[in-house]
Amino acid sequence: DQQVKQNSPSLSVQEGRISILNCDYTNSMFDYFLWYKKYPAEGPTFLISISSIKDKNEDGRFTVFLNKSAKHLSLHIVPSQPGDSAVYFCAASVPSGAGSYQLTFGKGTKLSVIP
Amino acid sequence: DAGVTQSPTHLIKTRGQQVTLRCSPKSGHDTVSWYQQALGQGPQFIFQYYEEEERQRGNFPDRFSGHQFPNYSSELNVNALLLGDSALYLCASSLTVTGRSYEQYFGPGTRLTVT
Repeated sequence: DQQVKQNSPSLSVQEGRISILNCDYTNSMFDYFLWYKKYPAEGPTFLISISSIKDKNEDGRFTVFLNKSAKHLSLHIVPSQPGDSAVYFCAASVPSGAGSYQLTFGKGTKLSVIP
Repeated sequence: DAGVTQSPTHLIKTRGQQVTLRCSPKSGHDTVSWYQQALGQGPQFIFQYYEEEERQRGNFPDRFSGHQFPNYSSELNVNALLLGDSALYLCASSLTVTGRSYEQYFGPGTRLTVT
């Protein structure tokens, strides 16, 4: 049972345009959502997070939108740059008491930004 | 500011053997989580250590065990290796005392191949 789903395995975008990466989830107990970027042979790099009580969080070129009623979140990258080409993972956390959080990841979306 | 480090980078083992992977958390972090990433999948939570104790565990058999040392570094041990244990093993660190331990920072991973 996949609780976090990224239905698009890949996405190609022209440099300078907007990249929109999507993620759906099923567990209404998730309280934080995160996006990670991963280059080959490296670990995932934390990009941005959003609390379940918010509907938008912005950090530079990256904006995450959360639609709780639809159980959907998206990451917008504007403008897209060739260095953004990587695999992007959506992750969600559930609190387990005493400040403990476990992350559940989607399978990732490979973004290719074409110069 | 030192990030999360892991050793070794790559490892080849034979079925039935045992393996130990090591992780040093990001400077100032007190919590270490371990994840397994199979090819084409997102990372899957194995367990989390805080104050030298395992405080949360994912759906992994008892062959997977760990330890956290007083300096917050951690080890992941896998006994009786199976071919299916071949994967990238990721260590992530976070800071529990801030209440933001959902924000986890990953190391580069250890690529384990079981033959």
